[in-house]
This record gives sequence, C-alpha cells and structure tokens, in this order.
Amino acid sequence: DAGITQSPRHKVTETGTPVTLRCHQTENHRYMYWYRQDPGHGLRLIHYSYGVKDTDKGEVSDGYSVSRSKTEDFLLTLESATSSQTSVYFCAISDGSHNEQFFGPGTRLTVL
Amino acid sequence: SQQGEEDPQALSIQEGENATMNCSYKTSINNLQWYRQNSGRGLVHLILIRSNEREKHSGRLRVTLDTSKKSSSLLITASRAADTASYFCATDASPPSTLTFGKGTMLLVSP
Repeated sequence: DAGITQSPRHKVTETGTPVTLRCHQTENHRYMYWYRQDPGHGLRLIHYSYGVKDTDKGEVSDGYSVSRSKTEDFLLTLESATSSQTSVYFCAISDGSHNEQFFGPGTRLTVL
Repeated sequence: SQQGEEDPQALSIQEGENATMNCSYKTSINNLQWYRQNSGRGLVHLILIRSNEREKHSGRLRVTLDTSKKSSSLLITASRAADTASYFCATDASPPSTLTFGKGTMLLVSP
C-alpha cells in the first residue's frame, strides 16, 4: 500500500446523502482507478483517469462521479448514496507500462 | 461483464502441497496478470504474462498462458499457510489501460 492512501477507511452514511471518497498517491503515476468489490462480483471498475482533468467511465459508473484536479488526488463522489452502493471501494494507480496496478487499502462504505 | 473467470472458486490444501488456479477469458488480450488479496486488504500484483509468452516463473509461482484456448493457470508450489488469500486474474485487453478482473479463487492453506 505504500504510496497510495484512501480516506476515509470506513464510513457509515444514510440513503440520499452525498459521499466523497479520496484517493491520494505519492508515486506521480498517470493513471488512477476506482473499483468496487462485492461478494459474487469480484472487482468492477467504476471510473478511471488518464491524466489531470481526464476521466472516463468504467463498467459500473451510474450513480458515481469523479474528479482529478491534481496528479496526486482522485475523488469519487456518490451524489445521493443508495443502499446498493454499500461496498468496499478500492483505488488503484498505474504508470501505464503494461498496466500493472497498485492498490490502496480500501474504504468500507455502508449506506443505511 | 467479467472478462476473466477463475476456477475453482475455492481451494483447500495442506501446507507443502501445490495449488493450481485457472483463468479463462473471452477476447484477445495484451497481457494477463495475477493478483493476490489477503483478507481485508488491497490487491497485490504477483505476476504478468504477455500475450506472446507461454510460461513465466517468479519464485514459487508459475504462470502459463494458452492464447488459443484463452486460458491461463497459476501454480503455487510448496504452499505455505501465508499463501492463504484470494487470487484474481486480470486481463489487459486494449486501450485505454484498464483491467478486467475475474471473481477470484479463495485459497486456504492449512498447517
């Protein structure tokens, strides 16, 4: 997990509230990714970034938005949290060579 | 949709035995990667094999790739209790530099 942190690590929130998760890296890697991990589904890509202000959707992007104003930070926002967004969220980074990715420790989000 | 699918879903062995996990995928790939996840932690990259390679070794890990069958296998030799984890294959199919992960194999190595 060296070089990549996520905050908060745990969060409990109520349905309908906005939530922002932060991913911070010190590796100066170009690519950053947000995944969610759910039992029975494995790891699914939500959004990713290929540079400052350059982002694109992944497989399960509905209900999520992202922003990347600095190389080191990638924010994931749930505009109006729903119970189906209860999950463990992982951030990952890559320098783009062979697409080997390095993962953060994860954020466990519970939406009541 | 999942590009890679691991088999078996769960595997239980004794220390010292070998563990073999398989991954099948659907489309052409640039490379295939294997990751390990210990309980409650993030994924850790283990090994990458390019589409033009057939076999690769790293310590006690051996990975094979058969592009004609669209399948890969991960062999862990002389397993240890510390190898207990979930193992995921991930395929790098095309730009723009994203990976598609399978659902994983849970490996339990008993002392």
